[in-house]
Amino acid sequence: DTGVSQDPRHKITKRGQNVTFRCDPISEHNRLYWYRQTLGQGPEFLTYFQNEAQLEKSRLLSDRFSAERPKGSFSTLEIQRTEQGDSAMYLCASSLELFSGRNNEQFFGPGTRLTVL
Amino acid sequence: GQQLNQSPQSMFIQEGEDVSMNCTSSSIFNTWLWYKQEPGEGPVLLIALYKAGELTSNGRLTAQFGITRKDSFLNISASIPSDVGIYFCAGGADDKIIFGKGTRLHILP
Repeated sequence: DTGVSQDPRHKITKRGQNVTFRCDPISEHNRLYWYRQTLGQGPEFLTYFQNEAQLEKSRLLSDRFSAERPKGSFSTLEIQRTEQGDSAMYLCASSLELFSGRNNEQFFGPGTRLTVL
Repeated sequence: GQQLNQSPQSMFIQEGEDVSMNCTSSSIFNTWLWYKQEPGEGPVLLIALYKAGELTSNGRLTAQFGITRKDSFLNISASIPSDVGIYFCAGGADDKIIFGKGTRLHILP
């Protein structure tokens, strides 16, 4: 049984470059979430997918950020023209939508730590 | 927007002591979750609560979903060195969860 995986674990880039992160959720999970976490804070919601449909985007997700989940399995998060303020841990989580209402048990990957120089 | 107030921000305790931390909000949540995060890793789900008044245990951990649905607490009994980390509460509503700022637990030898 594999959990949520993320790649890469660490990324160092120069300001202005584009970066792309990948998340592979738990295989039977139909929901996938992206979060950003900065030092001393809890994870902050960015966006989520149900299957391949992107259902909600936070106002934190500027137009330089785009996320996709083309086949309803893995997802990518791209940041264009990175800025130093984008430096953070980017976390992915997945969950299984159930009619019983137990929809919020989200399981997290190890995260991708982004450093923008 | 919805916000969670988690306290205390940090705790320094002796090994073997019991620990208590809590989360409050001005908003009602349908779910309360408690996670633990260690350096360089993602949060790990410890306990999920789905019903007001629910009291759930997971080993030495016990958490409760407040009757008002606006608060939750987590207790850790007989702390051990591997309990060190940051504990986050999270309130769930509308298919999303919102995190508190965490309680950093330090254990003194």
